This record gives sequence, C-alpha cells and structure tokens, in this order.
Amino acid sequence: LAKTTQPISMDSYEGQEVNITCSHNNIATNDYITWYQQFPSQGPRFIIQGYKTKVTNEVASLFIPADRKSSTLSLPRVSLSDTAVYYCLVGEASGGSYIPTFGRGTSLIVHP
Amino acid sequence: NAGVTQTPKFQVLKTGQSMTLQCAQDMNHEYMSWYRQDPGMGLRLIHYSVGAGITDQGEVPNGYNVSRSTTEDFPLRLLSAAPSQTSVYFCASRALAGVTYEQYFGPGTRLTVT
Repeated sequence: LAKTTQPISMDSYEGQEVNITCSHNNIATNDYITWYQQFPSQGPRFIIQGYKTKVTNEVASLFIPADRKSSTLSLPRVSLSDTAVYYCLVGEASGGSYIPTFGRGTSLIVHP
Repeated sequence: NAGVTQTPKFQVLKTGQSMTLQCAQDMNHEYMSWYRQDPGMGLRLIHYSVGAGITDQGEVPNGYNVSRSTTEDFPLRLLSAAPSQTSVYFCASRALAGVTYEQYFGPGTRLTVT
C-alpha cells in the first residue's frame, strides 16, 4: 500500500495562506492523489484531487511536482473555520477498484 | 439526496455481543467501504465492495463481516464484540465511473464495547 507522510500539526493565523505537504515516495503510475478535510465528530469531506502539475478549485489548490513523490495542498486566506484535520491519500489500484490509505493527517489550527 | 446514512449514531455493547452497523446510500454508487477511526488516528479500511455481490478485505478486517446484496446497502457485522473494537465507524461511497475518487462519508457510528 502506498504510504503517505504529513506533518502532525500546523498553526496559522486568519488571512494567511497555508501549505501542507505530503510525501508519497512509492506512488504508483496509476495512483491519483486526493485530499480530505475532517472536523471533529464528522466524516471526512473531499477537498481536491490531482494526478500531476497543478489543480485548483474554489476551495484549494494542489501542487504536484513532476516526480509525483510529494504533493502540497494550498489553502488561501484561511479562516477560523478551516481548523480541521487534513488527510492526504494515495490510491492503491487493485483489480480496478481504489483502496485509498489514510495516514494520521495534519491537524491545522487557525488562530484569530 | 440523503447521501450516505448510518445507523445507529451511538451504540454500547458488552464483550461477546454481536450487532450490525447499517449503511445506506442513495447516489447509486458502486463502491462502498467501511473505515474505523481510533482517537488521534487516521481512518483504517475494514472492508470494501465494488458492487452488489462483491466484497473484499481492507487493512483491518478481522472480527468484521460484510455483505452487499443491493447497491444501496452495505452493512457491517461485528460477530463477537471486543473492547479493541471500540471506535468510530465511518461508511463511505463513491462512483466507479470516471476519474473522480471523491468519496462521500456518512456521519459515523460511535461504538463502545465494555
């Protein structure tokens, strides 16, 4: 299973840009990278996915270098409500299905 | 759309008891899965299914059974509950068509085994 490594925690302040980097050295050719956000007592919520280069949606940007051994989730101008745990997932292709592996995630705390 | 629903929200079991956690989705998703999340930990995959009649094991399948008789439902059975199974259980689903890997998660079931 492709494993991911993220910082355990990060602190930021309202209005700042936050970049969370995830390492996935043994990513497979067919694997996509996805990021999820989880608030306490809730299920994770999908944020963004990508395969290579840069992907942007209304919530975040995802930067993936050419070797795909890492990825960086960028949250522009965070607010207090962005305080959550962020998970980086890399898929394990198995018979056509997708078995993503969650690591421990990064606990982001946004301060006023 | 209700999305992914799970019942019950909370459950307390005694060691050795059995029970079934229910999961249903109304998005016609082929792929469904069960995860457990222990305090301060990420989610670990228990079992998954890519369609009715097809199930497979994830990272931590021991002590759990699943079946998939319909597209909508994916129940998780604890055969003989143990304190080590105290956890929060999340069910998720996603479409297999296309290249989106977006999983939709239910609200979770908090299980305590005494």
